[in-house]
Amino acid sequence: AQTVTQSQPEMSVQEAETVTLSCTYDTSESDYYLFWYKQPPSRQMILVIRQEAYKQQNATENRFSVNFQKAAKSFSLKISDSQLGDAAMYFCASGAGSYQLTFGKGTKLSVIP
Amino acid sequence: DTGVSQDPRHKITKRGQNVTFRCDPISEHNRLYWYRQTLGQGPEFLTYFQNEAQLEKSRLLSDRFSAERPKGSFSTLEIQRTEQGDSAMYLCASSSQGLFTEAFFGQGTRLTVV
Repeated sequence: AQTVTQSQPEMSVQEAETVTLSCTYDTSESDYYLFWYKQPPSRQMILVIRQEAYKQQNATENRFSVNFQKAAKSFSLKISDSQLGDAAMYFCASGAGSYQLTFGKGTKLSVIP
Repeated sequence: DTGVSQDPRHKITKRGQNVTFRCDPISEHNRLYWYRQTLGQGPEFLTYFQNEAQLEKSRLLSDRFSAERPKGSFSTLEIQRTEQGDSAMYLCASSSQGLFTEAFFGQGTRLTVV
């Protein structure tokens, strides 16, 4: 069984600043994947970034990067140069073996102009 | 391709009625998933199809829930004898073959049971 914990229900960031969203997970699988999904209000969920657990290098996608600490089972998302369009719910998720994803409860990110 | 589409977007039903939702995945995707999302929670896995075969079902999928994907294309999720606790957003996602390829989500069907 897998569990994903997001301890920050809400976060805010000034436009153009950097923010880090936290996520911890637990899994008994040796091979697994981790994801960050973004869910804007009334819109569909989209993939922001993903990390294969066997890769030591942290994934990066433009302004989005992760800090993957495998031993600590931590997977945080850093958003640099925050933009108004980054305001959304962010969900951390894990997947292993079967193709189902286990999601955290989400962090609501507000971007202050 | 317009992405994953779900119909209807909203459904209000009386307790005890049956409801059916439809999901049209991205055409070349052979994997299809159903998730349920309640207010303040992340999506919870319900079931997974590879082509027309239903390969996994969550314990959340009680006997009142049934899902089909008859020709390996669109899928339906039916809830019989709805209860107030079934009120939620039902999300469909699809992905292509491969190890944890990106899952593309639809906008969901919001069910309200009154």
